[in-house]
Amino acid sequence: AQTVTQSQPEMSVQEAETVTLSCTYDTSESDYYLFWYKQPPSRQMILVIRQEAYKQQNATENRFSVNFQKAAKSFSLKISDSQLGDAAMYFCAYRSAWANFGNEKLTFGTGTRLTIIP
Amino acid sequence: DAGVIQSPRHEVTEMGQEVTLRCKPISGHDYLFWYRQTMMRGLELLIYFNNNVPIDDSGMPEDRFSAKMPNASFSTLKIQPSEPRDSAVYFCATTGGDNTEAFFGQGTRLTVV
Repeated sequence: AQTVTQSQPEMSVQEAETVTLSCTYDTSESDYYLFWYKQPPSRQMILVIRQEAYKQQNATENRFSVNFQKAAKSFSLKISDSQLGDAAMYFCAYRSAWANFGNEKLTFGTGTRLTIIP
Repeated sequence: DAGVIQSPRHEVTEMGQEVTLRCKPISGHDYLFWYRQTMMRGLELLIYFNNNVPIDDSGMPEDRFSAKMPNASFSTLKIQPSEPRDSAVYFCATTGGDNTEAFFGQGTRLTVV
């Protein structure tokens, strides 16, 4: 079974600075998807960014980018120019790319609570 | 599309009562997931459906929990009888088509007193 580990329960960053959230995962599969979800105090789960394992290029969405290291099974999220609205819980998630029964579910890490310091 | 719609948003009930949580998926999504979120255990997958058929219910904690998807537009998660340790936020999420990510509803915060 796949596992996702987020080793930083809490992080804080000064507004306008850059912060990196860590995520590692364990899988025996070669093709899969990785995600970062944001959960603000409203508790809505919002997709931040997605990475396909077969793509070597790191995904980028505006101020959010990832550092995907497939061999190391590492998938970190970098937030540049941090803003107050970035304060939230961030969850890393894994999903197999194989569309067989049992593979479609998302497996989540335990989350990192990000605080933005004004 | 209005997204995944869950009701109610908040539910407070007394121990021993039956609780039913509802979910309306995004039209065209053929996968539906029920997750539970607690401080202690994080996000746990309880059960998921494909084309209205339960595929994996290994995460359902006890026989007190049951879930149904009678059609493509509606799913329920029922707890009977409820216990204080069932207090959590319950999320419904769906995916399908060309989507790889799951789309979440706003969750139901359940408090059992």
